[in-house]
Amino acid sequence: GQNIDQPTEMTATEGAIVQINCTYQTSGFNGLFWYQQHAGEAPTFLSYNVLDGLEEKGRFSSFLSRSKGYSYLLLKELQMKDSASYLCAVMDSNYQLIWGAGTKLIIKP
Amino acid sequence: NAGVTQTPKFRVLKTGQSMTLLCAQDMNHEYMYWYRQDPGMGLRLIHYSVGEGTTAKGEVPDGYNVSRLKKQNFLLGLESAAPSQTSVYFCASTSAAQSTDTQYFGPGTRLTVL
Repeated sequence: GQNIDQPTEMTATEGAIVQINCTYQTSGFNGLFWYQQHAGEAPTFLSYNVLDGLEEKGRFSSFLSRSKGYSYLLLKELQMKDSASYLCAVMDSNYQLIWGAGTKLIIKP
Repeated sequence: NAGVTQTPKFRVLKTGQSMTLLCAQDMNHEYMYWYRQDPGMGLRLIHYSVGEGTTAKGEVPDGYNVSRLKKQNFLLGLESAAPSQTSVYFCASTSAAQSTDTQYFGPGTRLTVL
């Protein structure tokens, strides 16, 4: 079966750095996405990785290791507005997105 | 551009009632999707469409039907609602299915079936 695993909840302090991990087992791989979802709102796109390595976009970076079936999202200089759920999704061989359950990130002042 | 819109935003149904959820996008996207999101679970694909006049089943299609008569609209129908269909429903669209084209989501419909 296809499976995406990520921690259910994480807590971090404003101004700090946090890393959210995602491991996956899917039938085929056509890229890995990270989305942000604030409570009661729709998911919004954060990043996309299809090759191994690190993609940096401002305070957010995303890393991929295809051989390990592993990705992480790194958030730097945390702000209160970063409190949200972070969803990991893998595009499988049929170009369908398989979604993890999401990691709820709580930021404390 | 409004992006992706969904109506209604909230709805309460009694078991056995029917309803239709409407999704509209103004980005001229070919691909449209209906997902449901339940606590502790990832988004699950109900049905999707790869173009006007086409529909296909996703991971959890039972109890739902869809239609894509116009490119910009994707309708999700519940013929006989059940409490297990209580969920948040998201519509999404993308220009193409492949890789770098991200999916754009509507604001969601919160459905409760009593």
